[in-house]
Amino acid sequence: GAGVSQSPSNKVTEKGKDVELRCDPISGHTALYWYRQSLGQGLEFLIYFQGNSAPDKSGLPSDRFSAERTGGSVSTLTIQRTQQEDSAVYLCASSLAWGVKNIQYFGAGTRLSVL
Amino acid sequence: EDQVTQSPEALRLQEGESSSLNCSYTVSGLRGLFWYRQDPGKGPEFLFTLYSAGEEKEKERLKATLTKKESFLHITAPKPEDSATYLCAVQGGSEKLVFGKGTKLTVNP
Repeated sequence: GAGVSQSPSNKVTEKGKDVELRCDPISGHTALYWYRQSLGQGLEFLIYFQGNSAPDKSGLPSDRFSAERTGGSVSTLTIQRTQQEDSAVYLCASSLAWGVKNIQYFGAGTRLSVL
Repeated sequence: EDQVTQSPEALRLQEGESSSLNCSYTVSGLRGLFWYRQDPGKGPEFLFTLYSAGEEKEKERLKATLTKKESFLHITAPKPEDSATYLCAVQGGSEKLVFGKGTKLTVNP
Protein backbone atom coordinates (compact mmCIF):
# COMPACT_ATOMS: atom_id res chain seq x y z
CA GLY A 1 0.00 0.00 0.00
CA ALA A 2 0.92 3.66 -0.19
CA GLY A 3 3.34 5.06 2.34
CA VAL A 4 3.50 8.52 3.89
CA SER A 5 3.32 11.13 1.15
CA GLN A 6 4.75 14.64 1.48
CA SER A 7 4.48 17.58 -0.85
CA PRO A 8 6.19 19.45 -2.27
CA SER A 9 9.40 17.45 -2.32
CA ASN A 10 11.39 20.66 -2.67
CA LYS A 11 10.48 24.23 -1.85
CA VAL A 12 12.58 27.33 -2.44
CA THR A 13 11.28 30.54 -0.92
CA GLU A 14 12.44 34.03 -0.12
CA LYS A 15 13.09 35.22 3.40
CA GLY A 16 9.93 36.63 4.92
CA LYS A 17 7.48 34.60 2.84
CA ASP A 18 5.05 32.04 4.30
CA VAL A 19 5.20 28.37 3.29
CA GLU A 20 2.87 25.41 3.71
CA LEU A 21 4.08 21.81 3.77
CA ARG A 22 1.65 18.93 3.37
CA CYS A 23 1.63 15.40 4.74
CA ASP A 24 -0.68 12.51 3.78
CA PRO A 25 -0.27 9.71 6.33
CA ILE A 26 -0.67 6.01 5.71
CA SER A 27 -4.36 5.20 5.43
CA GLY A 28 -5.82 4.26 8.81
CA HIS A 29 -2.95 5.69 10.85
CA THR A 30 -4.33 7.83 13.64
CA ALA A 31 -1.09 9.38 14.92
CA LEU A 32 0.98 11.84 12.89
CA TYR A 33 4.34 13.46 13.67
CA TRP A 34 6.47 16.26 12.23
CA TYR A 35 10.26 16.30 12.56
CA ARG A 36 12.97 18.57 11.16
CA GLN A 37 16.39 17.43 9.95
CA SER A 38 19.02 20.14 9.61
CA LEU A 39 22.47 19.66 8.10
CA GLY A 40 24.71 18.03 10.64
CA GLN A 41 21.89 17.65 13.16
CA GLY A 42 19.76 14.70 14.10
CA LEU A 43 16.05 14.61 13.54
CA GLU A 44 14.29 17.05 15.87
CA PHE A 45 10.70 16.53 16.97
CA LEU A 46 8.29 19.38 16.19
CA ILE A 47 4.70 18.33 16.90
CA TYR A 48 2.50 15.27 17.24
CA PHE A 49 -1.20 14.67 16.50
CA GLN A 50 -3.62 12.15 17.95
CA GLY A 51 -6.49 12.34 15.49
CA ASN A 52 -7.00 16.06 14.93
CA SER A 53 -5.65 17.11 18.34
CA ALA A 54 -2.05 18.09 19.07
CA PRO A 55 -1.24 17.07 22.66
CA ASP A 56 2.48 17.77 22.21
CA LYS A 57 3.68 20.92 20.44
CA SER A 58 6.83 21.20 22.52
CA GLY A 59 9.23 21.02 19.58
CA LEU A 60 7.87 23.96 17.58
CA PRO A 61 10.82 26.40 17.59
CA SER A 62 8.84 29.64 17.55
CA ASP A 63 5.34 31.04 17.13
CA ARG A 64 6.05 31.35 13.40
CA PHE A 65 5.50 27.60 13.19
CA SER A 66 2.04 26.07 13.33
CA ALA A 67 0.39 22.85 12.21
CA GLU A 68 -3.08 21.49 11.82
CA ARG A 69 -4.68 18.21 10.92
CA THR A 70 -8.13 17.81 9.46
CA GLY A 71 -10.39 14.79 9.13
CA GLY A 72 -7.89 12.71 11.06
CA SER A 73 -5.81 12.49 7.90
CA VAL A 74 -3.93 15.23 6.04
CA SER A 75 -1.71 17.59 8.01
CA THR A 76 -0.25 20.95 7.05
CA LEU A 77 2.81 22.54 8.64
CA THR A 78 2.91 26.30 8.13
CA ILE A 79 5.95 28.49 8.60
CA GLN A 80 5.27 32.21 8.60
CA ARG A 81 7.84 34.89 7.78
CA THR A 82 10.47 32.31 6.91
CA GLN A 83 14.07 32.85 8.01
CA GLN A 84 17.27 31.35 6.62
CA GLU A 85 17.66 29.18 9.72
CA ASP A 86 14.38 27.48 8.78
CA SER A 87 16.17 25.79 5.86
CA ALA A 88 16.03 22.06 6.54
CA VAL A 89 14.30 18.85 5.53
CA TYR A 90 10.87 18.58 7.13
CA LEU A 91 9.84 14.97 7.69
CA CYS A 92 6.41 13.62 8.48
CA ALA A 93 5.72 10.23 10.06
CA SER A 94 2.60 8.31 10.95
CA SER A 95 1.80 5.38 13.19
CA LEU A 96 -1.21 3.11 13.56
CA ALA A 97 -2.01 4.53 16.99
CA TRP A 98 -0.11 5.90 19.96
CA GLY A 99 1.25 4.34 23.10
CA VAL A 100 3.42 1.30 23.50
CA LYS A 101 4.83 -0.59 20.52
CA ASN A 102 3.79 1.78 17.77
CA ILE A 103 6.20 2.17 14.88
CA GLN A 104 6.57 5.51 13.13
CA TYR A 105 6.85 5.32 9.34
CA PHE A 106 8.39 8.28 7.58
CA GLY A 107 7.79 10.07 4.31
CA ALA A 108 10.55 11.25 2.00
CA GLY A 109 10.41 14.79 3.38
CA THR A 110 10.18 18.31 2.02
CA ARG A 111 13.49 20.06 1.50
CA LEU A 112 12.96 23.75 2.31
CA SER A 113 15.49 26.32 1.19
CA VAL A 114 15.07 29.91 2.36
CA LEU A 115 17.07 32.40 0.31
CA GLU B 1 16.19 14.99 29.13
CA ASP B 2 16.37 11.96 26.85
CA GLN B 3 19.63 11.72 24.89
CA VAL B 4 21.07 9.46 22.21
CA THR B 5 24.71 9.31 21.12
CA GLN B 6 25.81 7.28 18.14
CA SER B 7 29.35 6.19 17.31
CA PRO B 8 31.27 6.25 15.15
CA GLU B 9 30.00 9.20 13.09
CA ALA B 10 31.29 7.51 9.95
CA LEU B 11 32.52 4.00 9.17
CA ARG B 12 34.16 2.63 6.05
CA LEU B 13 34.23 -1.13 5.53
CA GLN B 14 35.34 -3.45 2.81
CA GLU B 15 32.72 -5.78 1.44
CA GLY B 16 32.53 -8.79 3.75
CA GLU B 17 34.18 -6.98 6.70
CA SER B 18 31.84 -7.31 9.68
CA SER B 19 31.49 -4.54 12.29
CA SER B 20 29.17 -2.93 14.83
CA LEU B 21 27.53 0.46 15.27
CA ASN B 22 26.91 1.77 18.77
CA CYS B 23 23.97 3.70 20.21
CA SER B 24 24.26 4.92 23.81
CA TYR B 25 21.17 6.38 25.43
CA THR B 26 19.76 7.96 28.56
CA VAL B 27 15.99 7.98 28.88
CA SER B 28 13.38 8.14 31.59
CA GLY B 29 11.45 4.93 31.24
CA LEU B 30 12.42 3.32 27.95
CA ARG B 31 9.37 2.36 25.93
CA GLY B 32 11.29 1.39 22.82
CA LEU B 33 14.58 1.74 20.96
CA PHE B 34 14.37 2.05 17.19
CA TRP B 35 16.85 1.59 14.35
CA TYR B 36 16.23 3.23 10.99
CA ARG B 37 18.17 3.31 7.74
CA GLN B 38 18.30 6.52 5.71
CA ASP B 39 19.49 6.75 2.13
CA PRO B 40 20.44 10.15 0.62
CA GLY B 41 17.39 12.21 -0.29
CA LYS B 42 14.97 9.77 1.33
CA GLY B 43 13.16 9.49 4.63
CA PRO B 44 14.20 7.07 7.38
CA GLU B 45 13.22 3.45 6.72
CA PHE B 46 12.26 1.37 9.76
CA LEU B 47 14.53 -1.58 10.55
CA PHE B 48 14.00 -2.78 14.13
CA THR B 49 12.44 -1.95 17.44
CA LEU B 50 13.66 -3.35 20.77
CA TYR B 51 11.71 -3.03 23.99
CA SER B 52 13.71 -4.61 26.81
CA ALA B 53 17.30 -5.34 27.75
CA GLY B 54 18.51 -8.64 26.38
CA GLU B 55 16.25 -8.51 23.34
CA GLU B 56 17.78 -9.22 19.93
CA LYS B 57 16.35 -8.97 16.40
CA GLU B 58 17.77 -9.97 13.04
CA LYS B 59 17.10 -9.08 9.43
CA GLU B 60 19.33 -10.38 6.67
CA ARG B 61 22.88 -9.19 7.48
CA LEU B 62 21.76 -6.96 10.39
CA LYS B 63 21.33 -7.85 14.04
CA ALA B 64 20.27 -5.41 16.75
CA THR B 65 20.85 -5.94 20.45
CA LEU B 66 19.85 -3.96 23.53
CA THR B 67 21.24 -3.46 27.03
CA LYS B 68 20.11 -1.03 29.71
CA LYS B 69 22.50 1.65 28.46
CA GLU B 70 23.19 0.95 24.79
CA SER B 71 22.23 -0.82 21.62
CA PHE B 72 24.42 -2.31 18.95
CA LEU B 73 23.69 -2.82 15.28
CA HIS B 74 25.89 -5.65 14.07
CA ILE B 75 26.52 -5.91 10.33
CA THR B 76 27.74 -9.29 9.14
CA ALA B 77 29.55 -9.62 5.79
CA PRO B 78 28.22 -6.27 4.50
CA LYS B 79 27.59 -5.55 0.84
CA PRO B 80 27.86 -2.20 -0.98
CA GLU B 81 24.05 -1.90 -0.92
CA ASP B 82 24.23 -1.70 2.88
CA SER B 83 25.83 1.74 2.52
CA ALA B 84 23.52 4.28 4.20
CA THR B 85 23.17 6.36 7.35
CA TYR B 86 21.87 4.33 10.28
CA LEU B 87 19.80 6.20 12.83
CA CYS B 88 19.04 5.19 16.40
CA ALA B 89 16.11 6.66 18.35
CA VAL B 90 14.50 6.16 21.75
CA GLN B 91 10.96 6.63 22.93
CA GLY B 92 10.56 7.48 26.59
CA GLY B 93 7.68 9.07 28.45
CA SER B 94 6.09 10.75 25.43
CA GLU B 95 5.17 9.75 21.90
CA LYS B 96 8.08 11.54 20.23
CA LEU B 97 11.25 9.81 19.13
CA VAL B 98 14.60 11.27 20.20
CA PHE B 99 17.22 10.58 17.55
CA GLY B 100 20.99 10.38 17.51
CA LYS B 101 22.92 12.06 14.71
CA GLY B 102 23.50 8.78 12.92
CA THR B 103 26.39 6.68 11.64
CA LYS B 104 27.23 7.01 7.96
CA LEU B 105 28.28 3.57 6.69
CA THR B 106 30.17 3.12 3.44
CA VAL B 107 30.86 -0.40 2.17
CA ASN B 108 33.42 -0.57 -0.59
CA PRO B 109 33.34 -3.41 -3.15
